[in-house]
Amino acid sequence: AQSVSQHNHHVILSEAASLELGCNYSYGGTVNLFWYVQYPGQHLQLLLKYFSGDPLVKGIKGFEAEFIKSKFSFNLRKPSVQWSDTAEYFCAVMGTGGFKTIFGAGTRLFVKA
Amino acid sequence: KAGVTQTPRYLIKTRGQQVTLSCSPISGHRSVSWYQQTPGQGLQFLFEYFSETQRNKGNFPGRFSGRQFSNSRSEMNVSTLELGDSALYLCASSRDTEGYGYTFGSGTRLTVV
Repeated sequence: AQSVSQHNHHVILSEAASLELGCNYSYGGTVNLFWYVQYPGQHLQLLLKYFSGDPLVKGIKGFEAEFIKSKFSFNLRKPSVQWSDTAEYFCAVMGTGGFKTIFGAGTRLFVKA
Repeated sequence: KAGVTQTPRYLIKTRGQQVTLSCSPISGHRSVSWYQQTPGQGLQFLFEYFSETQRNKGNFPGRFSGRQFSNSRSEMNVSTLELGDSALYLCASSRDTEGYGYTFGSGTRLTVV
């Protein structure tokens, strides 16, 4: 069965600090991987996705993520966070072949101005 | 283009009643998925429809059901409501079933009293 684990439930950073949010998944086949973000009062939106090819993917607002197949990981990174990055971040995995998309429990990020 | 539209936005129902939630996907999107979001459980997968066929189903009781129409609009129904069904129900649409990622609606907030 698919599962997704996000390592931190709450993260507090100061502006300009670097960010790395951990995500590990469990699935026996090939996968599509996603990060979604939910800003306060807004709906979930896609931040970036890995489908195939280059394991380092870049998304909106300066975010990037690296797929490490051997570690079953898809960590989200940003070199310098801003106050406006305060949000909840969800990692998601979908097994290829039309399987369902499973979400992690989410990580709440608070960036201090 | 219009986003994913969910109606109603808010709903208050009494235990034992049934409820129907509606979702209109982005034009051209043929895949519609439903999730239940609660503070303690995160996003739990309910079901996915593609071209009027249920492709995947989550681990919810049979009280939860859904369907998709020929125009890709989808409805989900919950019968015999329980207090624990109180949650934000999210609809997400995708162009296809592989790797495109979701566009989410704002959700329907269901409160069961």
